[in-house]
Amino acid sequence: EAQVTQNPRYLITVTGKKLTVTCSQNMNHEYMSWYRQDPGLGLRQIYYSMNVEVTDKGDVPEGYKVSRKEKRNFPLILESPSPNQTSLYFCASSSRTGIEQFFGPGTRLTVL
Amino acid sequence: GESVGLHLPTLSVQEGDNSIINCAYSNSASDYFIWYKQESGKGPQFIIDIRSNMDKRQGQRVTVLLNKTVKHLSLQIAATQPGDSAVYFCAENLVRGQNFVFGPGTRLSVLP
Repeated sequence: EAQVTQNPRYLITVTGKKLTVTCSQNMNHEYMSWYRQDPGLGLRQIYYSMNVEVTDKGDVPEGYKVSRKEKRNFPLILESPSPNQTSLYFCASSSRTGIEQFFGPGTRLTVL
Repeated sequence: GESVGLHLPTLSVQEGDNSIINCAYSNSASDYFIWYKQESGKGPQFIIDIRSNMDKRQGQRVTVLLNKTVKHLSLQIAATQPGDSAVYFCAENLVRGQNFVFGPGTRLSVLP
């Protein structure tokens, strides 16, 4: 089954404790993105990647890092999480020739 | 499941009626415009897209209209069904597959 998976689905952590949210897709897509979703703000793009070792900032990259060492994986790293990063996070992927993004199920992060 | 948004504009329609969801976009240079549907507890799901050189595109039970003069996008759903109840987002894309900007969303509620 073609899908985007994220782990963990739920995470509660404390300020300053480094964490990684994993994202993996099995569709051989070139493009991958991370978004955060907050009430009333829609989805805002954090980072995106056009292929292995190629990443670029979205609209809200501060406080986040990403890496794309393999085509299928695109982890989101929070080196020092803060309470304003409490949000619902989505990973998405798409092919280079298509505009359709496939989204993962989301990760609910709470930073205390 | 995760809450998508607490204070979204809401459109309530009777089952079987047609729905029209509107969206204003910001960048006149955007090349693609996309509609997504998000059900409670799930990631957004692609519905339909339209390129900037078109003003209308039809899918299965859905039609997207693009008015570049006033930077307005609409999604029409024919014969609305209970399964159409969800939050609908428009998104604009400047360069295919890369930077996406989403609108705040509209909640569609289908009344029996």
